[in-house]
Amino acid sequence: GESVGLHLPTLSVQEGDNSIINCAYSNSASDYFIWYKQESGKGPQFIIDIRSNMDKRQGQRVTVLLNKTVKHLSLQIAATQPGDSAVYFCAENIPGNQFYFGTGTSLTVIP
Amino acid sequence: DTAVSQTPKYLVTQMGNDKSIKCEQNLGHDTMYWYKQDSKKFLKIMFSYNNKELIINETVPNRFSPKSPDKAHLNLHINSLELGDSAVYFCASSQRHGDHEQYFGPGTRLTVT
Repeated sequence: GESVGLHLPTLSVQEGDNSIINCAYSNSASDYFIWYKQESGKGPQFIIDIRSNMDKRQGQRVTVLLNKTVKHLSLQIAATQPGDSAVYFCAENIPGNQFYFGTGTSLTVIP
Repeated sequence: DTAVSQTPKYLVTQMGNDKSIKCEQNLGHDTMYWYKQDSKKFLKIMFSYNNKELIINETVPNRFSPKSPDKAHLNLHINSLELGDSAVYFCASSQRHGDHEQYFGPGTRLTVT
């Protein structure tokens, strides 16, 4: 399943499928991009970050892809599990400033 | 072992009242933050403190006043509460200011009636 980030705030995928959550950012000066996961009733939790001079970074079952040309990044979750159901936020870090969260995307995993 | 804790978890109060939310972190971090999350899940930073000193103060009404008695605590006091203050408030901490990995508390759901 795939979301179109800010324009499609919900995404439903079947358990075991791969998920792709998209995010558009606005500031070309941003030097880092960060993904957070927020489960229902809890605070956000850091997943992974990527520096602006990279185009890909992998973590455990997650991959971040960054396309600076179109100011777009995505979070790919492999073999999505029910525990992955949450709201996912991307954030951009502007040098000398605090990082700012984007609009979240709600991921629902269907067993 | 709770890393970042907030009290209370729920707070219901009437317009015009003054209330405080407390936050404590036991991670030994230097920096603490307050965020506001509205009903659409939009998460916005309000303040950050580094070693008890105010670093970031976003455009927040001066009815909101953070206080950091020590590095492990950052409390948020709100005067003259308004309906629009209803939201979930999250405290967070990080090892150093600017770190991307922040540890969030469970949130305080504030409802102003």
